[in-house]
Amino acid sequence: EAGVTQSPTHLIKTRGQQATLRCSPISGHTSVYWYQQALGLGLQFLLWYDEGEERNRGNFPPRFSGRQFPNYSSELNVNALELEDSALYLCASSSLGSGESYEQYFGPGTRLTVT
Amino acid sequence: GQSLEQPSEVTAVEGAIVQINCTYQTSGFYGLSWYQQHDGGAPTFLSYNALDGLEETGRFSSFLSRSDSYGYLLLQELQMKDSASYFCVATNKLIFGTGTLLAVQP
Repeated sequence: EAGVTQSPTHLIKTRGQQATLRCSPISGHTSVYWYQQALGLGLQFLLWYDEGEERNRGNFPPRFSGRQFPNYSSELNVNALELEDSALYLCASSSLGSGESYEQYFGPGTRLTVT
Repeated sequence: GQSLEQPSEVTAVEGAIVQINCTYQTSGFYGLSWYQQHDGGAPTFLSYNALDGLEETGRFSSFLSRSDSYGYLLLQELQMKDSASYFCVATNKLIFGTGTLLAVQP
């Protein structure tokens, strides 16, 4: 069974540009979560999608947005990039929503560098 | 605010037992999960406590006390491969702890 996949592995953008990150969950999983992990720090929750809808978002500005497609894959968009957006962006999936699923499966992440 | 605090670093030797603590301040708390993350890798699930008490999974055990707003991860028979960062997570809140870097020495 294939795990969670993310693309691209690395992404380099300049300040003010937009970045698009993609995630494919494990087959059968309907929930997708996005996290930001700055270098040497913990994971900060960004967004949770389930059944195509945004269910919850973390304490991030509106320029962080995304969507979930009918096949449950997901896209994270970051507009007006700032230097401090440089981080590892992790996607995770689970078969149930955050209130019921204690086990999330993480992808390898996308390393975003903003110069 | 809501937070989960962990010691930043812990060092132990191979074969020893180590305990990683997690103290939390969060409301509407369902349960506590633990994840392991090797340097440069993706977090992987280790253990979950929905109820107070001890849960054992092989060399790893996790404990939760809601009355004390406290939990811990216990790693036994430490191996070099256990060197990694460990995070506690308030599951329904999707809040990760500050993380503990465990260094296992020979």
